Amino acid sequence: GESVGLHLPTLSVQEGDNSIINCAYSNSASDYFIWYKQESGKGPQFIIDIRSNMDKRQGQRVTVLLNKTVKHLSLQIAATQPGDSAVYFCAETLGFQKLVFGTGTRLLVSP
Amino acid sequence: KAGVTQTPRYLIKTRGQQVTLSCSPISGHRSVSWYQQTPGQGLQFLFEYFSETQRNKGNFPGRFSGRQFSNSRSEMNVSTLELGDSALYLCASSKGQAPNSPLHFGNGTRLTVT
Repeated sequence: GESVGLHLPTLSVQEGDNSIINCAYSNSASDYFIWYKQESGKGPQFIIDIRSNMDKRQGQRVTVLLNKTVKHLSLQIAATQPGDSAVYFCAETLGFQKLVFGTGTRLLVSP
Repeated sequence: KAGVTQTPRYLIKTRGQQVTLSCSPISGHRSVSWYQQTPGQGLQFLFEYFSETQRNKGNFPGRFSGRQFSNSRSEMNVSTLELGDSALYLCASSKGQAPNSPLHFGNGTRLTVT
């Protein structure tokens, strides 16, 4: 598969647990944030997004929290499943589809 | 609806050669972006095209170039290849009307430079 980072931070959880993946972003002017999931051999897959005028947004089994004061983003995955195992990236936008990606976190889910 | 299609899936080239990668966006998407992914640098933005015009560009040397055709398909070209250009090159498309609309990525072209 594709190597997306040899020294990624790793979060190991048991199936059924809730997972929280954190991300710090750099630009206080960023107004749109996205979480992506990347499985081995595939491109990043859109999970959920949030605009800077919000502090929380929920999707199916996922919640994104945005704290603009400390420039922090988190992704919460409820009832984590083995199929959630992947590398997760946060990204901030700096205008016209230019995304700045975080370094990524590897999520390992054990059955 | 078909996703973003990138060809070829794998490429092996020699230093000094040039390479062209192709991307077909999701039908109806007018914005195409290109990213480079390496273990050391992660995902880095190369450039973005909308309606055949480059709207945004990252911090890559001029050896990296791109274009977009009237049917929104895009190509990127890397000339005078260097070993450090070995990477996964990802194309993403979006509707692009607003400055921020979700990007949908293809599965990439894996370029190896020897």
